[in-house]
Amino acid sequence: DVKVTQSSRYLVKRTGEKVFLECVQDMDHENMFWYRQDPGLGLRLIYFSYDVKMKEKGDIPEGYSVSREKKERFSLILESASTNQTSMYLCASSFNPPPYEQYFGPGTRLTVT
Amino acid sequence: KNEVEQSPQNLTAQEGEFITINCSYSVGISALHWLQQHPGGGIVSLFMLSSGKKKHGRLIATINIQEKHSSLHITASHPRDSAVYICAVMSRSQFYFGTGTSLTVIP
Repeated sequence: DVKVTQSSRYLVKRTGEKVFLECVQDMDHENMFWYRQDPGLGLRLIYFSYDVKMKEKGDIPEGYSVSREKKERFSLILESASTNQTSMYLCASSFNPPPYEQYFGPGTRLTVT
Repeated sequence: KNEVEQSPQNLTAQEGEFITINCSYSVGISALHWLQQHPGGGIVSLFMLSSGKKKHGRLIATINIQEKHSSLHITASHPRDSAVYICAVMSRSQFYFGTGTSLTVIP
């Protein structure tokens, strides 16, 4: 079974804090993705990576950065958390090439106060 | 403009009913996915299809490429089917997601 894990299920941070969300997959997938999910807006892509040290901006990269130093691990960083970054964050991974199926982690519900 | 539109947004059904959720898209696709999200967040892939029809247990997914439309059917619905169902399409290596259909099945 493919397993995608995320470092926290729930996280509460203060405005201005630096926040790290970590995602680990155990299937040797090339691709990894970070999404945020908000009511009425569906899933929106923040960043994705198709290889170690490679990253591509998604639809809403502003206020976020990512790091992929190892194939199995993809980190999302909020440099200075703001209240409008309160959301559900979902990590996913997949093989290449397309069309491919994505495997999702359990999600992290982040609240910024 | 949304590349993927789902209907209905919300659906309540009695246990045992036949359920249909619809998905229309506006981009050329290499595949369409149906995803299921239970309360609490985790998303599971139900189907990936690029033509025709697929069946898994009580779930059936169909796609009409010419009409750019897909349907997810649930036969003999059960309360454990209560979840959000999300349609997603892959177009040139990018995913586009619908906003989901929230299904509640009442015993």
